[in-house]
Amino acid sequence: KNQVEQSPQSLIILEGKNCTLQCNYTVSPFSNLRWYKQDTGRGPVSLTIMTFSENTKSNGRYTATLDADTKQSSLHITASQLSDSASYICVVSASATGTASKLTFGTGTRLQVTL
Amino acid sequence: DARVTQTPRHKVTEMGQEVTMRCQPILGHNTVFWYRQTMMQGLELLAYFRNRAPLDDSGMPKDRFSAEMPDATLATLKIQPSEPRDSAVYFCASAWGQGRETQYFGPGTRLLVL
Repeated sequence: KNQVEQSPQSLIILEGKNCTLQCNYTVSPFSNLRWYKQDTGRGPVSLTIMTFSENTKSNGRYTATLDADTKQSSLHITASQLSDSASYICVVSASATGTASKLTFGTGTRLQVTL
Repeated sequence: DARVTQTPRHKVTEMGQEVTMRCQPILGHNTVFWYRQTMMQGLELLAYFRNRAPLDDSGMPKDRFSAEMPDATLATLKIQPSEPRDSAVYFCASAWGQGRETQYFGPGTRLLVL
């Protein structure tokens, strides 16, 4: 059964600190992995999309890594800001053709950045 | 600033009533998705369309849910009859491409079925 597990479930860090969120998946065949940021009361916003051949992808202070061998991904946030407080959702596509119908969603990591 | 819009933003209804949610995708996008999000289940893909044709609706309860795209600027998700377990936030997202593209989400419709 395709699964995506994220850890930690929640995290509190001080403003300015770095943090790393984890995503482990058992999805096959792997097509791509996405990280989304979701602010409370809003729709998710795409941060990165990574395919099998990509190990690292950055979007500003967000850097995603992918290890297709161990089926793990991480999202690293550098120099956190209060506006980074949100849920971060990992989504893996299992379709060989990349179609959306085989998406498996993680339950998210709730990040809170405090002063 | 192109955005996906959804109406209504909030809906409270009684069990058994029909609910219709609407989505206007970003102009020019050819793919539209419907998602549902609850605290217990997280995000789930219900259905999606490409070039207005339904490609997959396997995530949707067929007996009560229906999704359509009457034209390229409007997607609808209908629940009839609604049940309390349908209470959730329903998101529409749109994209341009063939499968690996970035999806842009709308603000969601928060549905409460009493």
